[in-house]
Amino acid sequence: DQQVKQNSPSLSVQEGRISILNCDYTNSMFDYFLWYKKYPAEGPTFLISISSIKDKNEDGRFTVFLNKSAKHLSLHIVPSQPGDSAVYFCAASIRNSGNTPLVFGKGTRLSVIA
Amino acid sequence: DAGVIQSPRHEVTEMGQEVTLRCKPISGHDYLFWYRQTMMRGLELLIYFNNNVPIDDSGMPEDRFSAKMPNASFSTLKIQPSEPRDSAVYFCASTPGYNEQFFGPGTRLTVL
Repeated sequence: DQQVKQNSPSLSVQEGRISILNCDYTNSMFDYFLWYKKYPAEGPTFLISISSIKDKNEDGRFTVFLNKSAKHLSLHIVPSQPGDSAVYFCAASIRNSGNTPLVFGKGTRLSVIA
Repeated sequence: DAGVIQSPRHEVTEMGQEVTLRCKPISGHDYLFWYRQTMMRGLELLIYFNNNVPIDDSGMPEDRFSAKMPNASFSTLKIQPSEPRDSAVYFCASTPGYNEQFFGPGTRLTVL
């Protein structure tokens, strides 16, 4: 049973527009969420995170929104750039009872078209 | 720091052969993780270590898989015997104890 789901395997967006990547989770114990970005032939790299005590975290062009009641988070990229084309992984963990391993979604491949 | 180092970057082997993947974590990181990435299953956690001790190996698919961490700067993932369905990209990651993990570049394994 997948605890972290990214239901869109791929997404295409025009350069300059907003990219919205979605992630759903089933375990209500998760209290820390992360987004990773992965280019071909490289390992995933950390992008942005959010704690369950917040509903929004922003870092430059990247904003993560968390809706705990819906068990849903999203990553917004504004404006999208061709260099943002990559696979994006959502991940979750339980922090308040000790570090637990990250649980990853299957990823969404974002293509930003110039 | 050079980041997490994995070797080899690519491995092609024949079914039945032993395969050993290697990882050097970032110095000072107490946690080390081994993941496998496939199209069907995404990023799966295989096993993780804390201070060189295996904590959870429930993700290791079969007895053919084993992992060791003899010291704080080195870990291996061994598959013996290898099978075509083991073909995947294997990642090693480390962290100092917080949730943000730092990944290596991965080893692409092809078993013919």
